[in-house]
Amino acid sequence: DTGVSQDPRHKITKRGQNVTFRCDPISEHNRLYWYRQTLGQGPEFLTYFQNEAQLEKSRLLSNRFSAERPKGSFSTLEIQRTEQGDSAMYLCASSLGTRKEETQYFGPGTRLLVL
Amino acid sequence: DAKTTQPNSMESNEEEPVHLPCNHSTISGTDYIHWYRQLPSQGPEYVIHGLTSNVNNRMASLAIAEDRKSSTLILHRATLRDAAVYYCILRARSGAGSYQLTFGKGTKLSVIP
Repeated sequence: DTGVSQDPRHKITKRGQNVTFRCDPISEHNRLYWYRQTLGQGPEFLTYFQNEAQLEKSRLLSNRFSAERPKGSFSTLEIQRTEQGDSAMYLCASSLGTRKEETQYFGPGTRLLVL
Repeated sequence: DAKTTQPNSMESNEEEPVHLPCNHSTISGTDYIHWYRQLPSQGPEYVIHGLTSNVNNRMASLAIAEDRKSSTLILHRATLRDAAVYYCILRARSGAGSYQLTFGKGTKLSVIP
């Protein structure tokens, strides 16, 4: 257990529905990241927060995706009008925020299946 | 982050040492070499990182070539729990380069009892 938690661990939804995932980072960590991982591939970066500010977004983050980190603590990732191609593992990670090369601590992920 | 090349898969016998190679010929002078691993159905976990000198920790050792164009992650005695996908990643120390990790496909390590 790294100290990063994600909820839910599994989500099955029908195409067209909205889903929201939550990530609770390690409490003193300023940086929070979202990644997506499809079967057989390494995780791919989606977006990054420094405290409450969303500082970077990947081109993978279509306009159906939105992420927030109110008050710089937990974060949510919402997918609107889900598509079958959104089926993946969504991973959250956090880091202390003092150096560029520092270690990231990952949560267990939320596995999404869109039917 | 600069690109790395790793074998798709490797096998090891339990309790034998394992050497996982990584090539990174385009590494810049300020890039750190990081290794993460991902056990089945879990998020990635940090293993070790280094810049120029070899590094040891409780999980593994990292041997870095003198020209820094390659590195090797060494597991001294593989256990069944070490079966995972191992990712070699280059991270910018400062200046240019983003904060995210850029994962490749990694090396899938199988450990045979």
